[in-house]
Amino acid sequence: AQSVAQPEDQVNVAEGNPLTVKCTYSVSGNPYLFWYVQYPNRGLQFLLKYITGDNLVKGSYGFEAEFNKSQTSFHLKKPSALVSDSALYFCAVRDGMNYGGATNKLIFGTGTLLAVQP
Amino acid sequence: DSGVTQTPKHLITATGQRVTLRCSPRSGDLSVYWYQQSLDQGLQFLIQYYNGEERAKGNILERFSAQQFPDLHSELNLSSLELGDSALYFCASSPGQVNTGELFFGEGSRLTVL
Repeated sequence: AQSVAQPEDQVNVAEGNPLTVKCTYSVSGNPYLFWYVQYPNRGLQFLLKYITGDNLVKGSYGFEAEFNKSQTSFHLKKPSALVSDSALYFCAVRDGMNYGGATNKLIFGTGTLLAVQP
Repeated sequence: DSGVTQTPKHLITATGQRVTLRCSPRSGDLSVYWYQQSLDQGLQFLIQYYNGEERAKGNILERFSAQQFPDLHSELNLSSLELGDSALYFCASSPGQVNTGELFFGEGSRLTVL
């Protein structure tokens, strides 16, 4: 079964410092990986995705993620954190199971709370 | 704004009651997904509909049911509500055909069962 793991419940970083939010995956076949962000009392917003190609994927709000096949990781990064980046971040993998038809169902990790201190 | 609309935003009800949550997908999207977010369970996939037909099913309780109508909006029905059903319920949509695209999420419906 497809799954992702986010080993850190919370990541604390000072504003201006680089940030990394970790994600590892377990899939059969080629992974389709995603990062979403959730601000308080809001829905999930898409940040970026890896499907194929360049291992470094660039997304919204200056975020990027590095796909590493040998380490089965897909860590989210940003060179310089902002206080406004404080939110809950979810890694997700597309479920490749065949339900007999079209599905882009995503399986989410448990989420990592990013706290950026001024 | 993702283009996915969910109503109501907040709902407070009592145990044993029944509620209906509504979702309008993005224009042109054929698939609707329902997720439940709670503190102890995280984000759990409930069910997917594609162009009116059930397409994938997750850990959805028998007390819960959903449907997608010809105009592609979807409703999630929760009955015989229990305290543990209190959660944020998200709807998401996608174009439908299996593709490499992401899901687009609504703002959610927060259900509180007292």
